[in-house]
Amino acid sequence: AIQMTQSPSSLSAFVGDRVTITCRASQGIESQLAWYQQKRGRAPKLLIYAASSLQSGVPSRFSGSGSDTDFTLTISSLQPEDFATYYCLQDYDNLPTFGPGTKLEIK
Amino acid sequence: EVQLVESGGGLVKPGGSLRLSCEASGFSFSGYSMNWVRQAPGKGLEWVASISSSGNYKYHGDSVRGRFTISRDNAKNSLYLQMKSLRVEDTALYYCARGPIAAAGVDWGQGTLVTVSS
Repeated sequence: AIQMTQSPSSLSAFVGDRVTITCRASQGIESQLAWYQQKRGRAPKLLIYAASSLQSGVPSRFSGSGSDTDFTLTISSLQPEDFATYYCLQDYDNLPTFGPGTKLEIK
Repeated sequence: EVQLVESGGGLVKPGGSLRLSCEASGFSFSGYSMNWVRQAPGKGLEWVASISSSGNYKYHGDSVRGRFTISRDNAKNSLYLQMKSLRVEDTALYYCARGPIAAAGVDWGQGTLVTVSS
């Protein structure tokens, strides 16, 4: 199975900061990567699909990049509602795997 | 409006069985692949199983293969997860999700809680 790692596992930042989260796949997955946001007690919400495509309705401050094994999620200017846990997800081989998550907290 | 409503969760003893259901509405159910994803208390997300729109293709994660079976009834707009030989580590909130979960247009239900405990 393809393994996904994320860094950092947790992050503290101020409102207005630019934040980057990285995700690495154990083998090449082309651009078959998505990013999810999850708030406490809520279902996950898709932010980015195909590594860099913004899901409809998601603010443009969110962006994704990368291909093959290395990917990033960037939030250009953190807003109070962005404090949540973020997961990457690969779906290259019909056996999707999530990264362990990055918890983004207010500093 | 797309709606996915999971049910069937509850408390079950180790070694026991449970069948989860997901009732879909607001879209053409037979046109979409479907998934189960779970989340243990305080832990991350884990994909469990997926099924093609016709039901002909099924995939299960390593941790549940041979114990869980995904199925669907397109006439009833319903998705199922039959769980057998349950373990304490299967305790989780089980979500139903529409479509490839890494693709645009995915939708999620609110989940049903499964607790495996003696």
